[in-house]
Amino acid sequence: DAGVTQSPTHLIKTRGQHVTLRCSPISGHKSVSWYQQVLGQGPQFIFQYYEKEERGRGNFPDRFSARQFPNYSSELNVNALLLGDSALYLCASSTTGGLGQPQHFGDGTRLSIL
Amino acid sequence: DQQVKQNSPSLSVQEGRISILNCDYTNSMFDYFLWYKKYPAEGPTFLISISSIKDKNEDGRFTVFLNKSAKHLSLHIVPSQPGDSAVYFCAASLLYAGGTSYGKLTFGQGTILTVHP
Repeated sequence: DAGVTQSPTHLIKTRGQHVTLRCSPISGHKSVSWYQQVLGQGPQFIFQYYEKEERGRGNFPDRFSARQFPNYSSELNVNALLLGDSALYLCASSTTGGLGQPQHFGDGTRLSIL
Repeated sequence: DQQVKQNSPSLSVQEGRISILNCDYTNSMFDYFLWYKKYPAEGPTFLISISSIKDKNEDGRFTVFLNKSAKHLSLHIVPSQPGDSAVYFCAASLLYAGGTSYGKLTFGQGTILTVHP
């Protein structure tokens, strides 16, 4: 069975641009979460979506937004990119939203801002 | 505010010996804990979890211990193998979360484990 897939794997943008990252969850998983990981730190929670609705939100500015589609895939959008947005963006899926169950991660999208 | 801390940035162990990775947390509301392993250029891979109603959970070579009174958990790998060399993250969540914390995993900074042949 395919795991969580993310696209693209790498992306280079300049300051002020916007970016869209995509994620397909494991088949049967209805929940998708997004995390940001900067070098030397653990992943930081951005959003969780379950059944197309936002259920959780981390401490990120409004420049970050996301949505989930009827097939449970998800997009993360970041507007007005800053140098500090350079990071690995990870998507994780789970069956019920992760309460008492593990979230399974994709390999991430490496975003570099010039 | 770092609610989950892994105070050892790195750990070096000989093949066949035990690896012990430690994690401390400050939020007493956390009640579900997980360990992930991460190789370079890959996403974190789930290893093992434990809920706060238990103090030990085993899965093959991996055992997680939870000491709620000390707000401390540890991962034991026995015997350690060179393929275990990776970054290990502990994570915590609320089993019955509401509001904006729903589904949120709070991660430590990670510990780099190196297992020498």
